[in-house]
Amino acid sequence: DTAVSQTPKYLVTQMGNDKSIKCEQNLGHDTMYWYKQDSKKFLKIMFSYNNKELIINETVPNRFSPKSPDKAHLNLHINSLELGDSAVYFCASSPRQGRTYGYTFGSGTRLTVV
Amino acid sequence: DQQVKQNSPSLSVQEGRISILNCDYTNSMFDYFLWYKKYPAEGPTFLISISSIKDKNEDGRFTVFLNKSAKHLSLHIVPSQPGDSAVYFCAANTGNQFYFGTGTSLTVIP
Repeated sequence: DTAVSQTPKYLVTQMGNDKSIKCEQNLGHDTMYWYKQDSKKFLKIMFSYNNKELIINETVPNRFSPKSPDKAHLNLHINSLELGDSAVYFCASSPRQGRTYGYTFGSGTRLTVV
Repeated sequence: DQQVKQNSPSLSVQEGRISILNCDYTNSMFDYFLWYKKYPAEGPTFLISISSIKDKNEDGRFTVFLNKSAKHLSLHIVPSQPGDSAVYFCAANTGNQFYFGTGTSLTVIP
């Protein structure tokens, strides 16, 4: 029973399309995150939600819009996809906000924009 | 602006020997550090952490050392096992956000 699950695992799409990546956690955690790992392997935070409330919104193009319908779900919608959006996107969760809680990551979604 | 750096992209070690993975950071405000392990096609998994009030934390074969004056963190794995072959990320925190290094790929040779 996967703790943090992301779908789809792979996504290949054309420039200009709109796509969504879904994330669900069954750990009862309060806080969820989206991270992007680019081609240089940098793992950077994009968004953080705590109990459906946006906490962290890093400098991310507004084509990226997170949506948290409940605290177990944090979906990522991307409009007008660009080549530079190609990356692996990881969803993660932690019991609550705060630095002492390690994250549980999903297995990632590899997005390829052609 | 990479505040957490892992300057060795890869490391190979013989089974049974010690693996030492290094991490440097630039922000003196970081006060909590973690190591994550990642297998291919999986997300990173939490391995071990250390608070800045300590200089060492041990968990079985894994020990993390923190040198605050040098802004340096290291993970020691003793003895190394083939199953330890993975990418290891260090992460540092101030406030609610973690900053990750780019990872070091460890290969343990049987």
